[in-house]
Amino acid sequence: EPEVTQTPSHQVTQMGQEVILRCVPISNHLYFYWYRQILGQKVEFLVSFYNNEISEKSEIFDDQFSVERPDGSNFTLKIRSTKLEDSAMYFCASSEQGAGEQYFGPGTRLTVT
Amino acid sequence: DQQVKQNSPSLSVQEGRISILNCDYTNSMFDYFLWYKKYPAEGPTFLISISSIKDKNEDGRFTVFLNKSAKHLSLHIVPSQPGDSAVYFCAASVSVGAGSYQLTFGKGTKLSVIP
Repeated sequence: EPEVTQTPSHQVTQMGQEVILRCVPISNHLYFYWYRQILGQKVEFLVSFYNNEISEKSEIFDDQFSVERPDGSNFTLKIRSTKLEDSAMYFCASSEQGAGEQYFGPGTRLTVT
Repeated sequence: DQQVKQNSPSLSVQEGRISILNCDYTNSMFDYFLWYKKYPAEGPTFLISISSIKDKNEDGRFTVFLNKSAKHLSLHIVPSQPGDSAVYFCAASVSVGAGSYQLTFGKGTKLSVIP
């Protein structure tokens, strides 16, 4: 069964450093998303991406964040200058259609020290 | 901003019995509702969904009921099995343009099925 994959599973970085989280969505999916979950809190929407551009972004997704689909398979989330409060699980998701089920990857645990 | 609420943080059920997980929402623009199951250190796994134009959707042991007038949905699992023990998230979907949809999640309900 096709699945969304994410690398790395755990990333530790120092405050102020740049990190890139990688995702490989399901191959025939056209819509891509990033969510995050701070420990003990809800899963929160960050950004949606379709047709090589951002469809929507939340208030959390400020200028420090960017997304890219550098080739036909990868979807990346970059945080330019990490802050302590960026420590969270980051989940990538994809869907075949806009409406309907979004399928999530296993997540990347980001720890900012 | 709690547009999707799961008021029960935990639920314990005996194996073989019915598990009922509840979810309330406030935004009338939500048009699709989903349930996800999550194990520790894993991503949410899609379980079952329902469109806002329906009031019931069934898939094996899982049934989701939607009451639009009450802005309430529930997930029934019957019979419950120990492997169902996980955190269950209710999510609601709304269009954010260009055909993309944003999911808003509840806080989750931890289900424990006791053998």
